Amino acid sequence: SAVISQKPSRDICQRGTSLTIQCQVDSQVTMMFWYRQQPGQSLTLIATANQGSEATYESGFVIDKFPISRPNLTFSTLTVSNMSPEDSSIYLCSVERDSSITDTQYFGPGTRLTVL
Amino acid sequence: AQSVTQLGSHVSVSEGALVLLRCNYSSSVPPYLFWYVQYPNQGLQLLLKYTSAATLVKGINGFEAEFKKSETSFHLTKPSAHMSDAAEYFCAVTGGTSYGKLTFGQGTILTVHP
Repeated sequence: SAVISQKPSRDICQRGTSLTIQCQVDSQVTMMFWYRQQPGQSLTLIATANQGSEATYESGFVIDKFPISRPNLTFSTLTVSNMSPEDSSIYLCSVERDSSITDTQYFGPGTRLTVL
Repeated sequence: AQSVTQLGSHVSVSEGALVLLRCNYSSSVPPYLFWYVQYPNQGLQLLLKYTSAATLVKGINGFEAEFKKSETSFHLTKPSAHMSDAAEYFCAVTGGTSYGKLTFGQGTILTVHP
């Protein structure tokens, strides 16, 4: 398994501001992902965080709104920029140790964001 | 493209009763299927996964799921519900060029009554 921590665990922000969420893993992993879970809904993949290169974004998500960094194999950040109330969600980081299709994806505890 | 449909957003059972949470998938490539559980204010925890080995998969906490290709289903069961099973359960699929990118169902909230 993998031990994943996220900071902050929750935050309340004003519209128009930005928040950076950190994801730290206890050991090196190949794959890191960011998901969004809107209130009462399921999880949606935002992007794959690539170490040393630009993140790969899913349809409907753009780098200007959700810039992602991954400076090494244990750490990644997701920034939610120019926030609006529609960005109120739980943001989860997940990891896979290798890129094998049978590998398990482990999830962090999530960051609960409320935008006023 | 892949998709997952979980039938029933809410399921309620009595303690000791059978738990059955339904999941149907759609995939143009051989799927890999997962069940995750999310307890209140926590992240997701893997219950079990199907990766093309045995079609009957046993997971943690007494849960199991059976992959049925003919029915495109991967239903989650537990013979006897416990109060601690109350949580939200998510079915997810990946496969082919989308591997690593999990597509989740809408989730099923399980309530267990004493």
